[in-house]
Amino acid sequence: DQQVKQNSPSLSVQEGRISILNCDYTNSMFDYFLWYKKYPAEGPTFLISISSIKDKNEDGRFTVFLNKSAKHLSLHIVPSQPGDSAVYFCAASGNTGNQFYFGTGTSLTVIP
Amino acid sequence: KAGVTQTPRYLIKTRGQQVTLSCSPISGHRSVSWYQQTPGQGLQFLFEYFSETQRNKGNFPGRFSGRQFSNSRSEMNVSTLELGDSALYLCASSLGSGGGDQPQHFGDGTRLSIL
Repeated sequence: DQQVKQNSPSLSVQEGRISILNCDYTNSMFDYFLWYKKYPAEGPTFLISISSIKDKNEDGRFTVFLNKSAKHLSLHIVPSQPGDSAVYFCAASGNTGNQFYFGTGTSLTVIP
Repeated sequence: KAGVTQTPRYLIKTRGQQVTLSCSPISGHRSVSWYQQTPGQGLQFLFEYFSETQRNKGNFPGRFSGRQFSNSRSEMNVSTLELGDSALYLCASSLGSGGGDQPQHFGDGTRLSIL
């Protein structure tokens, strides 16, 4: 049972434009949502997170939006750069942080 | 600060064998989680250890087991290997004693191939 879903396996964006990666979840008990970036042959690295009490969190070029009523979150990257090309995973956890549920990932390609 | 270290990086085994993977967490991190990554399946949670105790377990058969030592280092064992066990196995560590906003830090994984 996939509690966190990323329905777009891949996304291509021109350099300088906005990249929008989407994620849906089914469990309304999730308290935290995180985004990770993964390059080939490396482990995922933490990018940005958001608490369920917020609807937006920003860190430089990265902004995460949370819509709790729709059980949907998105990651915006502006402006997109070729170095952003990677697989992006969204993840969710409860308030204890003992277990994280990951989506299947979206492969982002930023075209120079 | 040293990151999460997983050994070995690559492993080739045959069906029916068993394998042990090792993970050294970031110093001070007491929680270690293991994930299986296969194409199209994302990261599937195997189990999480905290202070040498298994706190959470995913939906994997009993052939998958793990343990954590007093220095927080962890090992994962898979017995009676099957072709479907071919995957990237990732280990992640975190402080483990706070809220869900404490991100996990991942190692680069062990690529296990079953022939």
